[in-house]
Amino acid sequence: QLQLQESGPGLVKPSETLSLTCTVSGGSISSSSYYWGWIRQPPGKGLEWIGSIYYSGSTYYNPSLKSRVTISVDTSKNQFSLKLSSVTAADTAVYYCAIHTAMGPFDYWGQGTLVTVSS
Amino acid sequence: EIVMTQSPATLSVSPGERATLSCRASQSVSSNLAWYQQKPGQAPRLLIYGASTRATGIPARFSGSGSGTEFTLTISSLQSEDFAVYYCQQYNNWLRGSFGQGTKVEIK
Repeated sequence: QLQLQESGPGLVKPSETLSLTCTVSGGSISSSSYYWGWIRQPPGKGLEWIGSIYYSGSTYYNPSLKSRVTISVDTSKNQFSLKLSSVTAADTAVYYCAIHTAMGPFDYWGQGTLVTVSS
Repeated sequence: EIVMTQSPATLSVSPGERATLSCRASQSVSSNLAWYQQKPGQAPRLLIYGASTRATGIPARFSGSGSGTEFTLTISSLQSEDFAVYYCQQYNNWLRGSFGQGTKVEIK
């Protein structure tokens, strides 16, 4: 069964770049069946899709975040990554990685990692 | 942007009773609608996809219905483990919005 695990700093300073990695186990990130996505959830609030990537490198971003987001994939490490630039306190959230098919819901999720933006 | 609106925001239900949650899309999403359950400190769990298909391992007391812009999640007889927040999500167009704001199902 596919498992996903987020990793990265739990504290980021304002104006800096948030960087997270999702490590995939139990399957190949090069699978043509899946897209690999990031979702975030501010404390006490709802879910927001950030973006997704296909193993080929094609990316799809939430228009509201597109100017600050970069998602990349490293097939050799079976990982994909998120970079969010110029962060503010509003970017404080639990960040989840998850998988979905081209026209499908998020089937599997990582456990999430809390990132706090503060000086 | 496709806006997903869930109602009510909070639903108070006694164990054993039926719960009905609603989700409305600002434009048609066909049957490309999913429901998730989230408990405190946990990641969301997929319950329903395709508006009405239960995900693997989901009990039969959970059912989904609807198409187009109006969708419903029904929990036929609430168990203690069902008290949680439920989110709907459209995946008809990823680039035009995604999740509803959630409905919290609490113990009455």
